[in-house]
Amino acid sequence: QKEVEQNSGPLSVPEGAIASLNCTYSDRGSQSFFWYRQYSGKSPELIMFIYSNGDKEDGRFTAQLNKASQYVSLLIRDSQPSDSATYLCAVKSIQGAQKLVFGQGTRLTINP
Amino acid sequence: GAVVSQHPSWVICKSGTSVKIECRSLDFQATTMFWYRQFPKQSLMLMATSNEGSKATYEQGVEKDKFLINHASLTLSTLTVTSAHPEDSSFYICSAINWAGGNEQFFGPGTRLTVL
Repeated sequence: QKEVEQNSGPLSVPEGAIASLNCTYSDRGSQSFFWYRQYSGKSPELIMFIYSNGDKEDGRFTAQLNKASQYVSLLIRDSQPSDSATYLCAVKSIQGAQKLVFGQGTRLTINP
Repeated sequence: GAVVSQHPSWVICKSGTSVKIECRSLDFQATTMFWYRQFPKQSLMLMATSNEGSKATYEQGVEKDKFLINHASLTLSTLTVTSAHPEDSSFYICSAINWAGGNEQFFGPGTRLTVL
């Protein structure tokens, strides 16, 4: 079992709709959870991080964390074509010495 | 926000040569930097953790004699790919932690290495 798993997609969503990205992790000791966006040929950029169970909202983005289910998700409301990218879920554990473990990424396409 | 730069942004070299990639934290001191490698359509794979003034910690399966890492100052870490071969062609990305601003990792723009 991979440490961090994502649906590789591709996920196609019409413009203006909600895009939902999912991630599961295997290490119950994981403490911090991150969502990165990566455009083709570029390095990842941080969108959101979440540490506590529940929802965290930032503009059009909402991260959801459920530690009991070892599940973290990212919702993108009012999707825009510029949101088309690969979204990477990353997890950090106390034991990991600040290392991030990345999922394989979900390729998202927003259709105008 | 914290800025991390990499140089060069891309490099093409012949098989058997060595290539050095620099990672700099421009506006903060980074005691810890990380080096990642990303092959096409794959995710980031951590290669090593670089700590200022000490030896790097390599991930399992990464050859430390092939990928030399030096972190001699609080703002600079270098990755040298020695005797590069075509299978080393990849996108190399560094990141740095700004402890003064929390423990978020800031990523450099990446270096595209092509070995002919």
